[in-house]
Amino acid sequence: GAGVSQSPRYKVAKRGQDVALRCDPISGHVSLFWYQQALGQGPEFLTYFQNEAQLDKSGLPSDRFFAERPEGSVSTLKIQRTQQEDSAVYLCASSLGGGTYYEQYFGPGTRLTVT
Amino acid sequence: AQSVAQPEDQVNVAEGNPLTVKCTYSVSGNPYLFWYVQYPNRGLQFLLKYITGDNLVKGSYGFEAEFNKSQTSFHLKKPSALVSDSALYFCAVRGGQTGANNLFFGTGTRLTVIP
Repeated sequence: GAGVSQSPRYKVAKRGQDVALRCDPISGHVSLFWYQQALGQGPEFLTYFQNEAQLDKSGLPSDRFFAERPEGSVSTLKIQRTQQEDSAVYLCASSLGGGTYYEQYFGPGTRLTVT
Repeated sequence: AQSVAQPEDQVNVAEGNPLTVKCTYSVSGNPYLFWYVQYPNRGLQFLLKYITGDNLVKGSYGFEAEFNKSQTSFHLKKPSALVSDSALYFCAVRGGQTGANNLFFGTGTRLTVIP
């Protein structure tokens, strides 16, 4: 079946540009997560949605990062005025429910390079 | 605070030999533990999870993991390694508090199975 998809797969941005990264979760999955994975590191949590509600954004590194999921399905992570330290792979994950029992299914990620 | 440690950056094992990838955790409350595998240019794939019950958990592709509460460990094991098991493995923990939905990942262990 269809998994989590993300677009674009690769994005090169000049420092100061705004970028938007898209995530299409598995159909029917209530929960959606964004993670940031720097080179050689494990993913780090950015933000979490349950349906359209953003319940946790404690991991967003600055107010330049903004995420939305207006209809409880597709989500967009926006980064304003990109900086070099924003270069990373951005992973989206979805899970069937909001409880701790549910495993998360990850998309292939968007590799962002800021030059 | 939740954290995961993977003490080995790299594990090499001969094909057909048993493999172990180590993970220790620190969490407030009951731990919910996960193993994921990452192949190049692909997203994280769920292998197995421990929520409660039997300490030995069986997962995908012949992998299993043993939860040890006294040692706060959750080591990943497989009786006979395949060359195709070569990949990056991540251990992750979810906290036990209400609303703690996001995963905390270790830094990963690169497994190389030598033919």
